[in-house]
Amino acid sequence: EVQLVQSGAEVKKPGESLKISCKGSGYSFTSYWIGWVRQMPGKGLEWMAIIYGGDSDTKYSPSFQGQVTISADKSISTAYLQWSSLKASDTAMYYCARSDGVSTSDYWGQGTLVTVSS
Amino acid sequence: QSALTQPRSVSGSPGQSVTISCTGTSSDVGGYKYVSWYQQHPGKAPKLMINDVSKRPSGVPDRFSGSKSGNTASLTISGLQAEDEADYYCCSYAGRYTFVFGTGTKVTVL
Repeated sequence: EVQLVQSGAEVKKPGESLKISCKGSGYSFTSYWIGWVRQMPGKGLEWMAIIYGGDSDTKYSPSFQGQVTISADKSISTAYLQWSSLKASDTAMYYCARSDGVSTSDYWGQGTLVTVSS
Repeated sequence: QSALTQPRSVSGSPGQSVTISCTGTSSDVGGYKYVSWYQQHPGKAPKLMINDVSKRPSGVPDRFSGSKSGNTASLTISGLQAEDEADYYCCSYAGRYTFVFGTGTKVTVL
């Protein structure tokens, strides 16, 4: 059974750093991409970035380029999304999803709620 | 990359059909045969309902169907049921392994 399990909710202060994770299981991690999606409170889905599990090739939405960094460790089938200096506007639910890189995102994680508040 | 345009809301009575449009450009919806649709219930993760414009993944009821014409894709829910009340998002491939979501549509079952 394909599963993506994300790390737990985080509460951080502005300026702090953060790295959240997404662990894949039940499929070949190195044969798929993992995408990250933001959903701000009461708002829609926004596509952020994607990383290939095989060689960590990354692609970013122009809106998120330079704002976040994605990475992956194929030895433990885990993808990461990180911030070096959080802002209050980063408060959102973040989802990871398995993708074939072109067609679709077929399996999703349960989401990680990030709250940034002083 | 601008978000694809969807109506804010649509509604219908049980048993009726509703159609949600998703309008993009020739750089996304119009340029590729890779439009997918996701259903999201409150507090839940999105669920894939349609991929590659009109393909239904296993387990998705056949009352959900997708199509595309030019720069506009559409999702039709036939025989609307109470459990179909949710938010729906389209998503298109936009080239170079990037994607763009639609603005989202709230479907209300009257």
